[in-house]
Amino acid sequence: DTGVSQNPRHKITKRGQNVTFRCDPISEHNRLYWYRQTLGQGPEFLTYFQNEAQLEKSRLLSDRFSAERPKGSFSTLEIQRTEQGDSAMYLCASSLGDPGLAAYNEQFFGPGTRLTVL
Amino acid sequence: AQSVTQLDSHVSVSEGTPVLLRCNYSSSYSPSLFWYVQHPNKGLQLLLKYTSAATLVKGINGFEAEFKKSETSFHLTKPSAHMSDAAEYFCVVSEMIKAAGNKLTFGGGTRVLVKP
Repeated sequence: DTGVSQNPRHKITKRGQNVTFRCDPISEHNRLYWYRQTLGQGPEFLTYFQNEAQLEKSRLLSDRFSAERPKGSFSTLEIQRTEQGDSAMYLCASSLGDPGLAAYNEQFFGPGTRLTVL
Repeated sequence: AQSVTQLDSHVSVSEGTPVLLRCNYSSSYSPSLFWYVQHPNKGLQLLLKYTSAATLVKGINGFEAEFKKSETSFHLTKPSAHMSDAAEYFCVVSEMIKAAGNKLTFGGGTRVLVKP
């Protein structure tokens, strides 16, 4: 399977614990995105990488959240001191696309990591 | 800021009947619009996208959407629903960000139920 993969698929944690999720994009894709989807809502943009550079972050990404893409391949999203409001599906997407048609580029999504904070 | 509004949170249709999912957008310039589908326990999948080349856009699995600037709408249709169409559908507006990335803004979603 050469699609976007995410691990773990499910994570249950207690409030105050730290969690880390991993995303492996499609191998030739240089752009990687993180989104968060709460129950009954559409996904919301969190952050964007081109290669290893984090170029955009949403205001939703509080200082408890950090994302990395150290070698421009896989990415990790860490949440420190989790809160119950962090419970959501965390989605990763990647794209390659044509820089001249950036707004039209398809993003390929992984299956997501569902986080439950007790 | 760009936004999309999906007018129906749930749509129920009988198998073999037409499906209509409504979407209105807000954008200060010519938008880039997508429809994505999300099946349970599967990743979001692109159905189709509007790129300003044609106002009627055909996608996968028999879906199509029509861009109407005067109505700021991008409704999704399918002439005959199949049981496998049961899923959640998202209307999305895309805007270019740094280094030719693009940020997707999703509507609230429409859950489609297909009755036998």
